[in-house]
Amino acid sequence: QQQVKQSPQSLIVQKGGISIINCAYENTAFDYFPWYQQFPGKGPALLIAIRPDVSEKKEGRFTISFNKSAKQFSLHIMDSQPGDSATYFCAASRDSSYKLIFGSGTRLLVRP
Amino acid sequence: DADVTQTPRNRITKTGKRIMLECSQTKGHDRMYWYRQDPGLGLRLIYYSFDVKDINKGEISDGYSVSRQAQAKFSLSLESAIPNQTALYFCATSDSGDRRSGANVLTFGAGSRLTVL
Repeated sequence: QQQVKQSPQSLIVQKGGISIINCAYENTAFDYFPWYQQFPGKGPALLIAIRPDVSEKKEGRFTISFNKSAKQFSLHIMDSQPGDSATYFCAASRDSSYKLIFGSGTRLLVRP
Repeated sequence: DADVTQTPRNRITKTGKRIMLECSQTKGHDRMYWYRQDPGLGLRLIYYSFDVKDINKGEISDGYSVSRQAQAKFSLSLESAIPNQTALYFCATSDSGDRRSGANVLTFGAGSRLTVL
């Protein structure tokens, strides 16, 4: 049972464009929604995270949009750069707990 | 040196062999995890440990075992490797006392790529 569904599986964007990755979750008890970024040959690293008490969180060119009623959240990368090319994972957990449930990942390629 | 070190980084083995993947950390974190990454399936939790005396099964623990030898060391064993255990394995750590976000921020190692023939 996939508790966090992520789409698309892969994404190609031109430099300067907007990259959008979507995730949907099932468990309404989830209260923490991070995004992890993984470069080839490296482990994932926390990029940005949000809690359901806000609808949006922005850090530089990265923004999380959160829709609690739809049980969906998305990552927007503004002015996408070739250096943003990586695999992105959404995740969710409850009660600030240890069990992060990850999505299936999105491979982003930003063309120069 | 990396905060979370995994060894070996790459390993090719044969069906039926016993394999151990090792993880050590210098972050002083109490929590440690083993995840498995497969294309299209994301990261799935195999085992996790809150401290040396606490070991818990994750989503996909069958065919795996772990040992928390010390706070800084957490090893993953495949007692009898099979081809569908071919994957990229990640060790991760977190600090139960992390209050920056009130949530569990994972620090991952660079991964161990295992191929079972």
